[in-house]
Amino acid sequence: NAGVTQTPKFQVLKTGQSMTLQCAQDMNHEYMSWYRQDPGMGLRLIHYSVGAGITDQGEVPNGYNVSRSTTEDFPLRLLSAAPSQTSVYFCASSRDRYLFFGPGTRLTVL
Amino acid sequence: KNQVEQSPQSLIILEGKNCTLQCNYTVSPFSNLRWYKQDTGRGPVSLTIMTFSENTKSNGRYTATLDADTKQSSLHITASQLSDSASYICVVSGLNEVRFGAGTRLTVKP
Repeated sequence: NAGVTQTPKFQVLKTGQSMTLQCAQDMNHEYMSWYRQDPGMGLRLIHYSVGAGITDQGEVPNGYNVSRSTTEDFPLRLLSAAPSQTSVYFCASSRDRYLFFGPGTRLTVL
Repeated sequence: KNQVEQSPQSLIILEGKNCTLQCNYTVSPFSNLRWYKQDTGRGPVSLTIMTFSENTKSNGRYTATLDADTKQSSLHITASQLSDSASYICVVSGLNEVRFGAGTRLTVKP
């Protein structure tokens, strides 16, 4: 099993550009989520999904969209990147209260 | 104010020494508390999970304690190794929320 995979590992965007962070898991987990991690702060939930076709907002959803067309994939879209979205983004899937995290995407918005 | 506070923010110890990391939380009602280890440039990996009725749980050289009355948890690392250098994150789940601490950055020096 590959677990939770994320691409790309690094990305630099200009303000106003859009992009999609990819996340996939091969553990057949129903629950998937996206977090951002900023220095000195705990991980913050952006969006989550409890199954294919179902998504909901987390703590900091503004500026981000998600979709869940399959159990395996949970992409995160930045609609119009802003410098405040410079962060490290983690995707996670969950089973039995255990969160399995991907390796992260480091995003810089100039 | 973050509902999960960790201390110290950073810690440097010599290889072979023991150390204890603290986590205080205000999340209520309480469901479970987890400790994660996050190596630099990687996603967090679960170390332990404790529910309300559990007050200690071990995973090798890692021992977590929980006092649900005082809303405090600690992670004790015994006979530290260089590979223990990482950030340790306390995660507290309530009824419908999951809150992350900002983490303790541990450096183990030879």
